[in-house]
Amino acid sequence: QQQVKQSPQSLIVQKGGISIINCAYENTAFDYFPWYQQFPGKGPALLIAIRPDVSEKKEGRFTISFNKSAKQFSLHIMDSQPGDSATYFCAASINSGYALNFGKGTSLLVTP
Amino acid sequence: ETGVTQSPTHLIKTRGQQVTLRCSSQSGHNTVSWYQQALGQGPQFIFQYYREEENGRGNFPPRFSGLQFPNYSSELNVNALELDDSALYLCASSLGTTTGGYTFGSGTRLTVV
Repeated sequence: QQQVKQSPQSLIVQKGGISIINCAYENTAFDYFPWYQQFPGKGPALLIAIRPDVSEKKEGRFTISFNKSAKQFSLHIMDSQPGDSATYFCAASINSGYALNFGKGTSLLVTP
Repeated sequence: ETGVTQSPTHLIKTRGQQVTLRCSSQSGHNTVSWYQQALGQGPQFIFQYYREEENGRGNFPPRFSGLQFPNYSSELNVNALELDDSALYLCASSLGTTTGGYTFGSGTRLTVV
């Protein structure tokens, strides 16, 4: 049973554009929502994370938007660069140190 | 500061065999978790160890077992390998079970033939 649903499965964005990836969850006990970036042959690396007491968090070109009532959250990558081409995973857990429930991932390609 | 290191990086086993994968946690991290990532999928939680005790388990059968040692390194053991066990196995460490995010290793690619 997929506890976190992620879309789209793949995304192509031109350099300088905005990449948007969406996730939805059902379990209201989740209170930690991280995004991970994974390059081929590597493990996932934490990009940015948010807790449900805030609606938005920004770190550099990466922004998480969180809608608690809709049980949805999204990742926005501003000024996308070819080096951002990777697979992105959203996740959710009941706290930041416990089991992460991952989405199925979004393969992002940023074209020059 | 060293990150999470896993060994071996690649492994080929025959169905029915047993395998042991190893993980060294990031310095100072006392919690380790293991995940299975099938091709094209997100990682799936196998189990977590905190101070040498299992303190959480995902939907995996008992033939998946683990150990955490006093230096916080860890092992994942899989008995009676099945073809569907072919995947990337990821180890992740964190500082405690309620604070700090995970740091993942690069994984062990297991192929069962």
